[in-house]
Amino acid sequence: QIQLVQSGPELKKPGESVKISCKASGYTFTDYAMHWVKQAPGKGLKWMGWINTYTGKPTYADDFKGRFVFSLEASASTANLQISNLKNEDTATYFCARDYSSYIYPYWGQGVMVTVSS
Amino acid sequence: DIQMTQSPASLSASLGETVTIECLASEDIYSNLAWYQQKPGKSPQLLIYYANSLNDGVPSRFSGSGSGTQYSLKINSLQSEDVSIYFCQQNYDSPPTFGGGTKLELK
Repeated sequence: QIQLVQSGPELKKPGESVKISCKASGYTFTDYAMHWVKQAPGKGLKWMGWINTYTGKPTYADDFKGRFVFSLEASASTANLQISNLKNEDTATYFCARDYSSYIYPYWGQGVMVTVSS
Repeated sequence: DIQMTQSPASLSASLGETVTIECLASEDIYSNLAWYQQKPGKSPQLLIYYANSLNDGVPSRFSGSGSGTQYSLKINSLQSEDVSIYFCQQNYDSPPTFGGGTKLELK
């Protein structure tokens, strides 16, 4: 069955960096894009962008340009999200999600809680 | 960006009751509307896509309807396991955008 397994929770200080992974299984990794979604504590869902798992080309939503980097380890069927120069407002759960077609998400990782605190 | 407005923000209902959650798009999204259920500490689960198509494994008491800018999710015969937060999402245009969520509780 299709699974997306993400790395564990992170506690970081402002200004530090964090790298989150999302390992896919149960399908051909390069056949589907991987998307990233942010959920701040007690808040709604915000789409961050996606990465073409065949070409490696990332696309970022406007609010996530600059400090956010999507990358791949295609040989390991893994997508990564790196956030640099962390700020308090980056405290959130970050989900990877595989689409079915055109931004419909039947498959989600379990989420990674990133806490930024001095 | 297309704005998605959900109502109500919270809802209290009894077991066996029928509940309806509404979602209003800021422009016509041509039935490109999905509904997700999210339980505390869990990832969202896709319930409905293209406004009225039930995702695999989703109980038939869930149904979606609507067109244009107005959409709704209906839950028939409410069960205890339906206590969750529900989000709508438009997938008509990039960026995909989500409603603010509706918290469903038992009365």
